[in-house]
Amino acid sequence: SAVISQKPSRDICQRGTSLTIQCQVDSQVTMMFWYRQQPGQSLTLIATANQGSEATYESGFVIDKFPISRPNLTFSTLTVSNMSPEDSSIYLCSVQGSAGANVLTFGAGSRLTVL
Amino acid sequence: GQQVMQIPQYQHVQEGEDFTTYCNSSTTLSNIQWYKQRPGGHPVFLIQLVKSGEVKKQKRLTFQFGEAKKNSSLHITATQTTDVGTYFCAGGEGTYKYIFGTGTRLKVLA
Repeated sequence: SAVISQKPSRDICQRGTSLTIQCQVDSQVTMMFWYRQQPGQSLTLIATANQGSEATYESGFVIDKFPISRPNLTFSTLTVSNMSPEDSSIYLCSVQGSAGANVLTFGAGSRLTVL
Repeated sequence: GQQVMQIPQYQHVQEGEDFTTYCNSSTTLSNIQWYKQRPGGHPVFLIQLVKSGEVKKQKRLTFQFGEAKKNSSLHITATQTTDVGTYFCAGGEGTYKYIFGTGTRLKVLA
């Protein structure tokens, strides 16, 4: 299955700042997914990122708050903008297909704490 | 929108006891997947079920997909301490989008 590298693995941020999370995959993939996992909660899909087109955002998530880039088939970034304590979560990058048609492979996640 | 609920939310069992988590979707699913997330880790794929009424086994784990393709279950026989973690079902919408269930956190007492 694909190997996904995410960075930073964790960070502590100040309210009002922005942070960009990077996701690097060791193989070319069509779609990359960004999930959020709030403390002790399930995973919520933020957006789907396709190379060469704008990301598709899920209900409750907007591009101004979570801008996403997908410059090529192995890389994506998610920015969490103008952070507040409510944005403290684990952000996970995911890809599909390398271990089976629809199987999701996740990166190790980026744990953000906003003070 | 679609909701996927799991019960129980938490389960503590003695090592050697059995464990079951149930997953219920508000809508009919194209398929369902199960993932395990160890404490401090990321979700790892366990299995995918596609057919109505399908049953699959992986060693001590048995997965079922309901006849109406709206519910599923995961049963672990004779739990071990290595089974500790949170188990998520993920309901498939179409070909690529998955809605994760609320999760069941399993703790195994030695």
